[in-house]
Amino acid sequence: GAGVSQSPSNKVTEKGKDVELRCDPISGHTALYWYRQSLGQGLEFLIYFQGNSAPDKSGLPSDRFSAERTGGSVSTLTIQRTQQEDSAVYLCASLSGPGREQYFGPGTRLTVT
Amino acid sequence: GENVEQHPSTLSVQEGDSAVIKCTYSDSASNYFPWYKQELGKRPQLIIDIRSNVGEKKDQRIAVTLNKTAKHFSLHITETQPEDSAVYFCAASMGQAGTALIFGKGTTLSVSS
Repeated sequence: GAGVSQSPSNKVTEKGKDVELRCDPISGHTALYWYRQSLGQGLEFLIYFQGNSAPDKSGLPSDRFSAERTGGSVSTLTIQRTQQEDSAVYLCASLSGPGREQYFGPGTRLTVT
Repeated sequence: GENVEQHPSTLSVQEGDSAVIKCTYSDSASNYFPWYKQELGKRPQLIIDIRSNVGEKKDQRIAVTLNKTAKHFSLHITETQPEDSAVYFCAASMGQAGTALIFGKGTTLSVSS
């Protein structure tokens, strides 16, 4: 069946521009997560959604980062006024319930020049 | 908040040897501990997980042990093969709700033939 999809797969943007990253979770999965993975680094938790609400936003690096989820499905992660240190792979994952496997999307590779 | 420490950061073994990766966590309420394997350029994939009511779980050449008192868990790979070469991440669920995961920084395993 269809897995988690993300778009775009690659994004190159100039410093100071805004970017929007999209995640389509597996149909029926109520929980959705955003992580960031810098080159050769681990997975940094950013935010997660249970339905359309985000109980924990503590991982967002700064107020330039925001995320929303509508209809309990698609989520967008927005980075305003991008900086070079924002360059990373942004991974989205979804799962059907607590303590269940997180299925990861292929990621969006963001490069800020 | 939850903190997950993972060691070693790199591990090199000969084909056929065993590999052990260890993680510690800080939140005593954590009750779900998955391990993910990430091959170069690919998304993380779940390889095994363990819940807090179990001390050990095995799946063919892979096993995970959990010591809740000491708050540490380990991944054991026996009879390693070159295709086991990848980055391995441990994770622990956050709090009693157990929905979000906090990942360790990863272990790069290299298996030479």
